Amino acid sequence: GAVVSQHPSRVICKSGTSVKIECRSLDFQATTMFWYRQFPKKSLMLMATSNEGSKATYEQGVEKDKFLINHASLTLSTLTVTSAHPEDSSFYICSARNSGTRFEQFFGPGTRLTVL
Amino acid sequence: GENVEQHPSTLSVQEGDSAVIKCTYSDSASNYFPWYKQELGKRPQLIIDIRSNVGEKKDQRIAVTLNKTAKHFSLHITETQPEDSAVYFCAASLTGGGNKLTFGTGTQLKVEL
Repeated sequence: GAVVSQHPSRVICKSGTSVKIECRSLDFQATTMFWYRQFPKKSLMLMATSNEGSKATYEQGVEKDKFLINHASLTLSTLTVTSAHPEDSSFYICSARNSGTRFEQFFGPGTRLTVL
Repeated sequence: GENVEQHPSTLSVQEGDSAVIKCTYSDSASNYFPWYKQELGKRPQLIIDIRSNVGEKKDQRIAVTLNKTAKHFSLHITETQPEDSAVYFCAASLTGGGNKLTFGTGTQLKVEL
């Protein structure tokens, strides 16, 4: 149980295009999902907290118009990187918190984004 | 907001030795402290966690200790094996504060034969 998937696992795109990343909780309901970015050999940095049915809460310094988050159901959150640029190239990881537990987060396998 | 510091950044041990990684946190209200193991290009995997109502927790070769007064917690791995080689992250979170995890900077553990 407690499986989180992400799609796609890898994406390469041209500068200026938009990329959508999906995060799904496969066997539990997640009222809250989190989006992280991880640069090579660095830690995970929280970008935003995604709440089902409401607007996402962004961390300081994260552009909400550039990183669009939608949490339309209890099992799906999406992150859209709009007008991507090479500096947006990174490893994006989502996590989900089971509504039935107070603490643990379950991580997706990550999406490697490369912007040319 | 919460700030988590982690040391050392790299740690090399001989197989069979013990490894200790330490973290400190700034927000005394934080009450959940997980440790994650991440292999290259993979997702972080929870290996052990501790809540603020206990001072120590053990799971086979892995243990975590928490000192709330000093605001630090440590990961202890005994009888290390080559497959323990990975990057380890500590994190801190506050329930009721959205459960946001603030991660430490990571420790690259290398277990040498």
